[in-house]
Amino acid sequence: GAVVSQHPSRVICKSGTSVKIECRSLDFQATTMFWYRQFPKQSLMLMATSNEGSKATYEQGVEKDKFLINHASLTLSTLTVTSAHPEDSSFYICSARDQAGGYTFGSGTRLTVV
Amino acid sequence: DAKTTQPNSMESNEEEPVHLPCNHSTISGTDYIHWYRQLPSQGPEYVIHGLTSNVNNRMASLAIAEDRKSSTLILHRATLRDAAVYYCILSEMYSGGGADGLTFGKGTHLIIQP
Repeated sequence: GAVVSQHPSRVICKSGTSVKIECRSLDFQATTMFWYRQFPKQSLMLMATSNEGSKATYEQGVEKDKFLINHASLTLSTLTVTSAHPEDSSFYICSARDQAGGYTFGSGTRLTVV
Repeated sequence: DAKTTQPNSMESNEEEPVHLPCNHSTISGTDYIHWYRQLPSQGPEYVIHGLTSNVNNRMASLAIAEDRKSSTLILHRATLRDAAVYYCILSEMYSGGGADGLTFGKGTHLIIQP
């Protein structure tokens, strides 16, 4: 089946620094990928839709200048959390639509900003 | 996307069947019913999906009411590894066009007792 690889699985960074999270579709091409955020004991919240070769579409309330998304190839989307602060600490999860139209999720990235 | 309603939590014993209900009274004719589950500290995992007819796969069965306003995910013989949060999600398109992210509710926290 379709596989989505997300890296790193866990990262700790200092407040004010930037962190990049990678999401790769391993055995299929994904023109559309999605980024979610999940706070403890809460459900996943869609942050943005990443489209290959074009600008990402952000959900209401998500700052596009803070969460930079790049989808430069059909198998890779990256999310960069810029000038991270403790309130950005969360579980970030990417997802890709496979060729059958289903959704495959990455294993998530636990970001801790200290 | 149309909303779904699920119980917050359910408890079952190991090796017994589990029936997880989902109400979706405002479902539209083009909405597919998806089920995903999320183990602790992992990304969601696809379980099953359907449109009108009941569906079976190696993981579970999906029973869809005739009026499509409710559905039930059936785990035929629960194991400890099935303990997870189960999400029932409606999405307009499964294959073909459309590139919307999934809208997650709070899901049902399934607890399996040994």
